[in-house]
Amino acid sequence: QQQVKQSPQSLIVQKGGISIINCAYENTAFDYFPWYQQFPGKGPALLIAIRPDVSEKKEGRFTISFNKSAKQFSLHIMDSQPGDSATYFCAASTKGSQGNLIFGKGTKLSVKP
Amino acid sequence: DGGITQSPKYLFRKEGQNVTLSCEQNLNHDAMYWYRQDPGQGLRLIYYSQIVNDFQKGDIAEGYSVSREKKESFPLTVTSAQKNPTAFYLCASSTSGVAAPYEQYFGPGTRLTVT
Repeated sequence: QQQVKQSPQSLIVQKGGISIINCAYENTAFDYFPWYQQFPGKGPALLIAIRPDVSEKKEGRFTISFNKSAKQFSLHIMDSQPGDSATYFCAASTKGSQGNLIFGKGTKLSVKP
Repeated sequence: DGGITQSPKYLFRKEGQNVTLSCEQNLNHDAMYWYRQDPGQGLRLIYYSQIVNDFQKGDIAEGYSVSREKKESFPLTVTSAQKNPTAFYLCASSTSGVAAPYEQYFGPGTRLTVT
């Protein structure tokens, strides 16, 4: 019940295309859903986050879509660029968890020029 | 220049030796975390601390120990009891309070290899 399931494991997209990464959860107490971006050999960095009172959040080319009834959320990267090639992690947390994040297993994105 | 520093970047040890990984932050954050990252496994929580002199076990605490004597510092010791210590270790910090969770900021990581 504490898991966050992320798919796909890897993704290849052409430059200018849309990258879509999906995550699903079971714990309805989750109320914070961040996405992190990690480049090889570096620590993850927060990309964008959403709370369940909204169904979509957009920041530049990055959009989170959130479906509370389906217990799913997804990251959309519009106009994907080679510089977006990285591993992306979704995560979830609850207010009572002292800020502890449950991470998905990651998606390795490669954007081909 | 605020942030989290981890040292060293690469660490090599022989099996049976304890090793301590350093994590320092100057963000004035109360909460600090240690994660382990293995290929295809995501990030798994080892230990976390919400306040000085207090820390809690995460999902995979066996074979690890921590201390939190200063707000800025949260060192992790990988003991010889850890069965498979070779991994990429990440330290993170965040603010804390009743409106948690808050964004976690990550350090650059330490890659530990034990042979």
